[in-house]
Amino acid sequence: AQSVTQPDIHITVSEGASLELRCNYSYGATPYLFWYVQSPGQGLQLLLKYFSGDTLVQGIKGFEAEFKRSQSSFNLRKPSVHWSDAAEYFCAVARGSQGNLIFGKGTKLSVKP
Amino acid sequence: DVKVTQSSRYLVKRTGEKVFLECVQDMDHENMFWYRQDPGLGLRLIYFSYDVKMKEKGDIPEGYSVSREKKERFSLILESASTNQTSMYLCASSKTGNTEAFFGQGTRLTVV
Repeated sequence: AQSVTQPDIHITVSEGASLELRCNYSYGATPYLFWYVQSPGQGLQLLLKYFSGDTLVQGIKGFEAEFKRSQSSFNLRKPSVHWSDAAEYFCAVARGSQGNLIFGKGTKLSVKP
Repeated sequence: DVKVTQSSRYLVKRTGEKVFLECVQDMDHENMFWYRQDPGLGLRLIYFSYDVKMKEKGDIPEGYSVSREKKERFSLILESASTNQTSMYLCASSKTGNTEAFFGQGTRLTVV
């Protein structure tokens, strides 16, 4: 069955430090992968997506993610975290081509001053 | 700017009430979705629709139904609200052939 695993429930980093959020997926075919961010009390905003091609994907707000088929991973990275990046981050894989998504359980990011 | 609008940000209802959550999108998207979000569980798909008057069960449809009479509007219905349906509900839409989904701001429903 298709699934998405985010191993880290909560991560705390210092402002200015680098960030990596982990995501592993289980999917039979070539996956369509996404990272969304949710600020408190808000809906989800798309950070970036991978459909095919270059395995390093650039997104908004300085985020990037790397698709590694051999590891079934799609980890999100940012070289220098800002206090405004504190939020919850969700990795997702598409079921089919209509936007039907399977989400991981999310990783909450806290940023220390 | 693309928009998915949910009619209420916060809602408090009593056990046994019939509850309607409304979602409207202005992007002419064919596909619409209702997710439920709970702490530690992420987002889980309740129902989705690929076209007007069409609906498909998601992963957790029990206790819910949906209605899609117009392309832009997708309603989630709790026939008889229960306390275990207290949650954040998120509506989303997407265009067929493009898996990117756009989300509304969410409705936080409390059933007392």
